[in-house]
This record gives sequence, structure tokens and C-alpha cells, in this order.
Amino acid sequence: QSALTQPASVSGSPGQSVTISCTGASSDVGGYKYVSWYQQHQGNAPKLMIYDVSNRPSGVSNRFSGSKSGNTASLTISGLQAEDEADYYCSSYTSSSTRVFGGGTKLTVL
Amino acid sequence: QVQLQESGPGLVKPSETLSLTCTVSGGSMTSYYWSWIRQPPGKGLEWIGYIYNSGSANYNPSLKSRVTMSIDTYNKHFFLTLHSVTAADTAVYYCASSPISTRQFDDWGQGTLVTVSS
Repeated sequence: QSALTQPASVSGSPGQSVTISCTGASSDVGGYKYVSWYQQHQGNAPKLMIYDVSNRPSGVSNRFSGSKSGNTASLTISGLQAEDEADYYCSSYTSSSTRVFGGGTKLTVL
Repeated sequence: QVQLQESGPGLVKPSETLSLTCTVSGGSMTSYYWSWIRQPPGKGLEWIGYIYNSGSANYNPSLKSRVTMSIDTYNKHFFLTLHSVTAADTAVYYCASSPISTRQFDDWGQGTLVTVSS
């Protein structure tokens, strides 16, 4: 199975919004609602930020939102804050009942 | 919500077998998929596979020939075995839980670094 495609890096200034894309295929992202997003700060385990394309777990800021169109899912972070600087990974369920991750995107808050 | 803790040797020799244990606390082992995920230094996440409490498992096709997972629901552990390791298997290994009703990785262990070197 091939990794999902994410941009290597994105950046934005405090208060701005950024969007990270995650492109797969009809056999994963495009075929199921099971797309999730994870935030990983250096040296820490990943943390779930979005599940089932657009749902936020309890305790995650409403500045984080998710969406999907066709084979591409997106994570949008609004009102950027310094603490949002981290690596972000998408993940999807696949037609083989396996899971696949994106390559990761480094978010820099300028 | 569950708590997860990985344990096992931090150093494995090339061609040998990597064995890790994940200890589960704070919840039941039913109604979850139990996964292993790894991250080579400076690189992204790679899903290795999952096991259910029945013992049924599903693996990443790229690792399937070398991976075995097992589970001990009574003592609340699950296990990863990776055979014939090379330097490319050097990574932080995480265990994680996914509710059966959905597919996301809700809870993660802190991760354990395994280095493959002679």
C-alpha cells in the first residue's frame, strides 16, 4: 500500500489559517469516512486531533477542523498559535482493512 | 480511554528477532483493535499491523512476511515480533488502540526506541 501524500511543510503567521492536504485513492481516503489527523510535537507520541474526517475528540480546540472532497482530505487550523507548531499526519482506513499514514507535514508558525 | 506502555530490548542485532510488549491499563481489551506503529528517526509514521482480542490480526503488506502479533487478554498485554531485522527497522515503536466502531488511533504509548546494530 502506498503512503498518503501530504505537503512536506506549511507555514503561517499567528492568527492566520493554514490547510494541510492529504491525498489518497478511492481505496482509502476517497472510499471511507475513516480519515484521522494526528499532531506530533518533537519527542512526543502523536495525539489524535480529528477522526471520521471532521470530528474532534473531547478537549481538542475548535480551531482544528477537517473535511474531505473526493480522494483528498484536509486539516485546517485557524487562529494559528505558537503551540500549533508541530508535525501533522493523516491516516486512513483502506479497502484491505489495513491502515495507512501520510508522509507528514511540518507546520511552522512564523 | 486506556493507558499503554511499550517495553522490550532497546538494541537488537541484525538478522535477529525484535520482540516488544504493550501493557494495557485503565480499560477492557474487548471492543478495540490493538496496533503497532513505528517511526524511524527523523521520518514519518508507518502502521505495522493490528490484532483483535480474538487473536485475529492484519498486517502491513510490506512487513507481512516478517511480522507476528499476539495477545494475552487475561494479563492485558499484546505483543509484536519482527523477524530478520536490518538497520532499516531502527525506529521508535508505538502501541496504540482503536475503537472497533471507528478506525482512529485514540490512545498511544509513549514509544520505545529500538536500534538494530551489531
